[in-house]
Amino acid sequence: AQKITQTQPGMFVQEKEAVTLDCTYDTSDPSYGLFWYKQPSSGEMIFLIYQGSYDQQNATEGRYSLNFQKARKSANLVISASQLGDSAMYFCAMRPDLLNSGYSTLTFGKGTMLLVSP
Amino acid sequence: KAGVTQTPRYLIKTRGQQVTLSCSPISGHRSVSWYQQTPGQGLQFLFEYFSETQRNKGNFPGRFSGRQFSNSRSEMNVSTLELGDSALYLCASSLEYSGFTEAFFGQGTRLTVV
Repeated sequence: AQKITQTQPGMFVQEKEAVTLDCTYDTSDPSYGLFWYKQPSSGEMIFLIYQGSYDQQNATEGRYSLNFQKARKSANLVISASQLGDSAMYFCAMRPDLLNSGYSTLTFGKGTMLLVSP
Repeated sequence: KAGVTQTPRYLIKTRGQQVTLSCSPISGHRSVSWYQQTPGQGLQFLFEYFSETQRNKGNFPGRFSGRQFSNSRSEMNVSTLELGDSALYLCASSLEYSGFTEAFFGQGTRLTVV
C-alpha cells in the first residue's frame, strides 16, 4: 500500500518569495513515481511536476522544482518567485510502477492550501 | 489537442436516484481513472480502466460501477444515491507508454445529492 502525508494544511507566502510544500511518502514498491498537482478553486487538477524513484537528479519545470530525498522518503515541492496565480490547493501524489504492479493508480495526500499575498 | 472532457459539469440529484457521469480521455490515451473528492475524505480512488478492462478498483460499495468503451471513453454510474455521494468526481487519462506517465485530469463533475 502507498501512503502520502502532507503535514501543512495551509501556507502563506508573499509574492516573489519562494515557498516549500512538504510531502513524505511510504511504499513497499521498489519503483514508483511522485507527482505534484495544483487544484485552483475551479476544481481541475493541473499536473505540475514528476519525479521517478530512480531518477538521480531532482526534477525541475520552470518555477517548480521537486526536492527528492529518497532515504528520507520526501518529495517536497519548491515554488520559486511566487505569483498571485499560484494561490491554490497543492496535492502530492504517487503511483506504482505499472510494469511491477499491473496498475497505475494515484494515491494522494490531503493537500496544502497555498495563499500568495501581494 | 483537446484535454480530458467530463460531462456534465454540474449535477443535482435526489436521494435514491441514479446518475451516470461521462469522461472522454485525451486522444490516444487508453487508461482512464476515476476519483472522488470530498472535503472530509479528500481524494479517493474509484476505478482504473485500460483497454476496456477494469484493472484496479477502490474501496467503494457496489452502488458505484463503471465501464470503458472501445474508444477509451468511460462512464461511471452511481445507483441509489445517498447524501454522502455529494462530491467532485474527477476523471484522469494517461498515455502509459512506459512505467510512469503523468495523469491528466478533467475539470470534474460536481454532484450534489439533495
